[in-house]
Amino acid sequence: DTEVTQTPKHLVMGMTNKKSLKCEQHMGHRAMYWYKQKAKKPPELMFVYSYEKLSINESVPSRFSPECPNSSLLNLHLHALQPEDSALYLCASSQDRGSITGYTFGSGTRLTVV
Amino acid sequence: GQSLEQPSEVTAVEGAIVQINCTYQTSGFYGLSWYQQHDGGAPTFLSYNALDGLEETGRFSSFLSRSDSYGYLLLQELQMKDSASYFCAVRPDGDAGKSTFGDGTTLTVKP
Repeated sequence: DTEVTQTPKHLVMGMTNKKSLKCEQHMGHRAMYWYKQKAKKPPELMFVYSYEKLSINESVPSRFSPECPNSSLLNLHLHALQPEDSALYLCASSQDRGSITGYTFGSGTRLTVV
Repeated sequence: GQSLEQPSEVTAVEGAIVQINCTYQTSGFYGLSWYQQHDGGAPTFLSYNALDGLEETGRFSSFLSRSDSYGYLLLQELQMKDSASYFCAVRPDGDAGKSTFGDGTTLTVKP
């Protein structure tokens, strides 16, 4: 298995809703990432987990809450989002934070906040 | 912090060779990566350079000059399916998990 699987593929949520994005990989990778990507823009790093511990939080608002239940799973819990949070949310993994073999990205969750 | 510059758009014809440049400024440097992203798709890792020189992978090659803070991606024998966005990404020394992506270059391959 050489894939990162993200669910759901599309999500529409209201500003008062609570939802979660899920990411799964079975490549034995020990680093996992959340990126946010707006249209025609590069991916922007949000969080990095290394060996199931949060190692980087790029000053992301608390309405985004990451969770790494085990080495294969990464969640992003969403609460009280704003319309400007609408974007493609990408999960990625790598062998470890120092890996030179690059990141494997999932296909993303396209989030619309209404 | 880090900043990267790459051209916003490049157009070429099928069968041609195209070079996408990337210059970077970073407080510490560990390596330069390249990713391809088709419209509506996920970024796909293409190559990584940590040392000066050329890395070749099939039709794609990537070059790095650490002294010039410069790299490029070379695409040969262009095919229509190569139309995509290409991002360079720099990994800072001492914080390998914190890659920063350039704004991307949209490559259009014409028949």
